[in-house]
Amino acid sequence: DSGVTQTPKHLITATGQRVTLRCSPRSGDLSVYWYQQSLDQGLQFLIQYYNGEERAKGNILERFSAQQFPDLHSELNLSSLELGDSALYFCASSVAAHNYGYTFGSGTRLTVV
Amino acid sequence: DQQVKQNSPSLSVQEGRISILNCDYTNSMFDYFLWYKKYPAEGPTFLISISSIKDKNEDGRFTVFLNKSAKHLSLHIVPSQPGDSAVYFCAAISTGGSQGNLIFGKGTKLSVKP
Repeated sequence: DSGVTQTPKHLITATGQRVTLRCSPRSGDLSVYWYQQSLDQGLQFLIQYYNGEERAKGNILERFSAQQFPDLHSELNLSSLELGDSALYFCASSVAAHNYGYTFGSGTRLTVV
Repeated sequence: DQQVKQNSPSLSVQEGRISILNCDYTNSMFDYFLWYKKYPAEGPTFLISISSIKDKNEDGRFTVFLNKSAKHLSLHIVPSQPGDSAVYFCAAISTGGSQGNLIFGKGTKLSVKP
């Protein structure tokens, strides 16, 4: 157990739907990162939050959004889902905004049918 | 445009021998490099890192080498053990940049045969 908790572990939904992925960072970590891993692809950075504020944005689609709450958990919202959004979504956390040894959760596998 | 490239999707090594995993990068602003290991159904776990001011960092059986002029780094595992079988991701970051996020390669699947 890495200390980063992601729920749900698996999610199957239809095209056009909206889902929310949840992440609880490791205790004491203020920074949360979301990554997407599609088939045969590396981990693609989506977005970073630090202590409730958006810190950096990567290749995140406009249909996707995220937030970090006062208790530091984070949610990634995916809407108007397409087949191509099927992927593993990982959350990671770190103590500071520029601490690089991220701790990853075990991921949420999203399947869009 | 892939900034971090792992050109070998897979590598098979005999137990006890050396495993060498390679990684190339294109962005000269990267100054910190990391290797992560990932088992199936788990998230990546941090393995070892190296700053651009060094050319080698060692941690037990794991050594990372950095060749800045060639924009190349490698991970050596000696001796390799069956438990090392996993996907290894190379990652890089520009610590002076405004974005504190790692750029990952696509990974190399290492199989260590008994």
